Amino acid sequence: AQSVTQLDSQVPVFEEAPVELRCNYSSSVSVYLFWYVQYPNQGLQLLLKYLSGSTLVKGINGFEAEFNKSQTSFHLRKPSVHISDTAEYFCASRNQGGKLIFGQGTELSVKP
Amino acid sequence: NAGVTQTPKFQVLKTGQSMTLQCAQDMNHEYMSWYRQDPGMGLRLIHYSVGAGITDQGEVPNGYNVSRSTTEDFPLRLLSAAPSQTSVYFCASSYSGVGTEAFFGQGTRLTVV
Repeated sequence: AQSVTQLDSQVPVFEEAPVELRCNYSSSVSVYLFWYVQYPNQGLQLLLKYLSGSTLVKGINGFEAEFNKSQTSFHLRKPSVHISDTAEYFCASRNQGGKLIFGQGTELSVKP
Repeated sequence: NAGVTQTPKFQVLKTGQSMTLQCAQDMNHEYMSWYRQDPGMGLRLIHYSVGAGITDQGEVPNGYNVSRSTTEDFPLRLLSAAPSQTSVYFCASSYSGVGTEAFFGQGTRLTVV
């Protein structure tokens, strides 16, 4: 069955520090993986996606993610965060049937 | 370009009342879906549609109905509201390819008292 698990519900970090938000997926078939960001009181917007090819994917706002098939992971990273990165981040997977399934979300809180 | 439009933005219902959450998209997307967002549970798929006239259940369909008579619209109906349906509801649309980006509305915050 298709599922996504985000390992941290909250991640506090200081401004300019690096951050990693962890995501594991489970599927017996090929999956397509996404990271979305939700700023307060807004809808979701796409940060980046992995479909195939290079396992390191770069997205908007300096974020990147690495697809690791052996560990079934798709962790999101940023080398230096800003206050404006404070938001909730969602990992998601999509199977061949088209259903987009989300993880539980990780609240990133960047402190000055 | 409006994208995905949800109405209303806020709604308070009494237990047992019915209502329809509206969702419209102007991008000619085949795929549309409804999610509910609850603290600590992420977004859970309620119903989805791969095209006009075709709908299917997601993870949490009980208490909700949908129909897709046109490509643009995908309303979500609450048949008899319950306090457990208090949530933020998001509509999303995309092209049908598996790698395509989903576009989200701004959400409807529903409270059932």
